[in-house]
Amino acid sequence: EDQVTQSPEALRLQEGESSSLNCSYTVSGLRGLFWYRQDPGKGPEFLFTLYSAGEEKEKERLKATLTKKESFLHITAPKPEDSATYLCAVQPNILTGGGNKLTFGTGTQLKVEL
Amino acid sequence: DAGITQSPRYKITETGRQVTLMCHQTWSHSYMFWYRQDLGHGLRLIYYSAAADITDKGEVPDGYVVSRSKTENFPLTLESATRSQTSVYFCASSRTGQGFYEQYFGPGTRLTVT
Repeated sequence: EDQVTQSPEALRLQEGESSSLNCSYTVSGLRGLFWYRQDPGKGPEFLFTLYSAGEEKEKERLKATLTKKESFLHITAPKPEDSATYLCAVQPNILTGGGNKLTFGTGTQLKVEL
Repeated sequence: DAGITQSPRYKITETGRQVTLMCHQTWSHSYMFWYRQDLGHGLRLIYYSAAADITDKGEVPDGYVVSRSKTENFPLTLESATRSQTSVYFCASSRTGQGFYEQYFGPGTRLTVT
C-alpha cells in the first residue's frame, strides 16, 4: 500500500527565515510526486511534479527536490503570503495498476510571521 | 475560463437524507476524482472516473454513489447521509495520455450531517 508521510505537521517561521518541508514516501514504483499548496477554505493548488530521483523544480521562493525515498520543499526567504498548508502526493507506476490516482500526505501547515 | 466548479459550496443535511454534490469541469479532462478531507486523514479518494460511463472505487467508497454520463460532470451522491460523512469534499480532474498529468481541484463543498 502506498504511503506518504509529511513532516513537520506545523512550522512557524519568521519572514526571511529559510527552511525545508519533508515528504517521505513508499510506493510500488513511482510515476510522479506532486506538491500542492492549500489555502484555508480553498482547494489544493498544483505547484510541482517530480518524476525521477535527482530532479529539481523551482517557482519563486520554492524549490522541490526528489530522492528515491523522499522529497523536500525548500522555502527561501519566505514571506507572509507563503503561509498555507503544503501537501505532497505520489502517483504509482501505471504498470502496478495505479492509474491516475494520487495518495496524499496529511500536509505541513506553514505560518510565516513578520 | 471557468475550470472546475462545485455546488453547493455549503450544505447542511439530516441523517438519513440523500444528498448530491455536483462537479463540473470545462477542460474536457478524461479523469475526474472525488476526495474527502478530514483533520488527521488528509485527502482520501472516494471514487474516480477514467471517462464517461467508467468509474471505479477509491480508498473510502462505502456510502457513496457516483455516475458519469457526460465527460464534464461527475456528481457524488450520499444515498443515506450519516454523521461520519460530515467533511469537506473536493472534486478534481486531470488529462490522460503519454505524459504525467497533475490533478486540478475545485473549491470544495463543506457538508455537515446533523
